[in-house]
Amino acid sequence: LAKTTQPISMDSYEGQEVNITCSHNNIATNDYITWYQQFPSQGPRFIIQGYKTKVTNEVASLFIPADRKSSTLSLPRVSLSDTAVYYCLVGGVENTDKLIFGTGTRLQVFP
Amino acid sequence: SAVISQKPSRDICQRGTSLTIQCQVDSQVTMMFWYRQQPGQSLTLIATANQGSEATYESGFVIDKFPISRPNLTFSTLTVSNMSPEDSSIYLCSVGDIGFYGYTFGSGTRLTVV
Repeated sequence: LAKTTQPISMDSYEGQEVNITCSHNNIATNDYITWYQQFPSQGPRFIIQGYKTKVTNEVASLFIPADRKSSTLSLPRVSLSDTAVYYCLVGGVENTDKLIFGTGTRLQVFP
Repeated sequence: SAVISQKPSRDICQRGTSLTIQCQVDSQVTMMFWYRQQPGQSLTLIATANQGSEATYESGFVIDKFPISRPNLTFSTLTVSNMSPEDSSIYLCSVGDIGFYGYTFGSGTRLTVV
């Protein structure tokens, strides 16, 4: 299972774009990259998943370079409600493998 | 995606007692996972529960302390046995399966041992 490394914390202000980068140097060929969001007193929630290049949904974008050794979660125009911990994980898309969580990035959005 | 009902949402227990946490899923799933999250920390995987076989425990977790049942494809329980204050944490279940778009997590059980 590929280990991931993320910044421990980030600060931003409302309306700004936030980019959180994750390193996964040992990613395997069949691994996907998935990001989860966790609010206090809740379980993690799936945000976005990708394999290569760029993926966009209504919540975020995920940028993955050609070597796939890193990925960047982009949150456009954050609001106070985006204050949460964001986890980057790598694993198979079949979702039957165990997930190993890294430290996550604690994002604090200020007014 | 699957919907998980996890119970209880919180409990305060006396040391030396046991608590059983239930996780009910609205669809049949192959794999269920149990995590522990200590205050301010990331999630740590306790064990993987596959229906019809014994759970597989991660390093540092043993069956005598955290017995797990998986009687069918929609239900699992985790018991925290002989509790001490160090067991005070949030315990979460999670499911994943082929065709799911990401793993789904329960809302967690906040356990306080006094």
